[in-house]
Amino acid sequence: GQQVMQIPQYQHVQEGEDFTTYCNSSTTLSNIQWYKQRPGGHPVFLIQLVKSGEVKKQKRLTFQFGEAKKNSSLHITATQTTDVGTYFCAGPPRSSNTGKLIFGQGTTLQVKP
Amino acid sequence: NAGVMQNPRHLVRRRGQEARLRCSPMKGHSHVYWYRQLPEEGLKFMVYLQKENIIDESGMPKERFSAEFPKEGPSILRIQQVVRGDSAAYFCASSPSGLGSSYEQYFGPGTRLTVT
Repeated sequence: GQQVMQIPQYQHVQEGEDFTTYCNSSTTLSNIQWYKQRPGGHPVFLIQLVKSGEVKKQKRLTFQFGEAKKNSSLHITATQTTDVGTYFCAGPPRSSNTGKLIFGQGTTLQVKP
Repeated sequence: NAGVMQNPRHLVRRRGQEARLRCSPMKGHSHVYWYRQLPEEGLKFMVYLQKENIIDESGMPKERFSAEFPKEGPSILRIQQVVRGDSAAYFCASSPSGLGSSYEQYFGPGTRLTVT
């Protein structure tokens, strides 16, 4: 079945350093969504990318969708302690036209002050 | 504007008991999704429901698990005869639409189920 993989699984950075997580799908995605989950919390929607090669920015966060629509990345510039959490990418299964999402296993970010 | 509500937030059950998890979607949302998250893992889709209809239950275990979203009241995820492996966080999400499109999903705070 369709798989969505994320790397790295864990990342420890010093506050102020940059951070990137990568997401790869085994099949082409119609769109990709990113969520953030704080420790002990619930996933919170960050953004959705739809177009091939799309780049979107939210303050220090930059999201990219690959040209082939099979991969995506999230880059955080100058991390802060508030960035701590697990970042998930998610996309709809190829065979489904419902809102069902397949989630990657997430990248957990730790930021040392 | 209340978000997605789930209760209880924490639930402890002994092996063999039943667990009932409730989810009220955001106001105006008629599409509900249930996900399971094991410690240190991602979210696994379980079931997608609209009012009075199960649209996609491809992620639901064939036995002991059932879900409903009645015309009135919250969506219910029911686990019969719980086993230790059912211990997990169960998240409900809602969206304003589902079929034929992909909208962002709004997650509830989750129910942490512990089976002793």
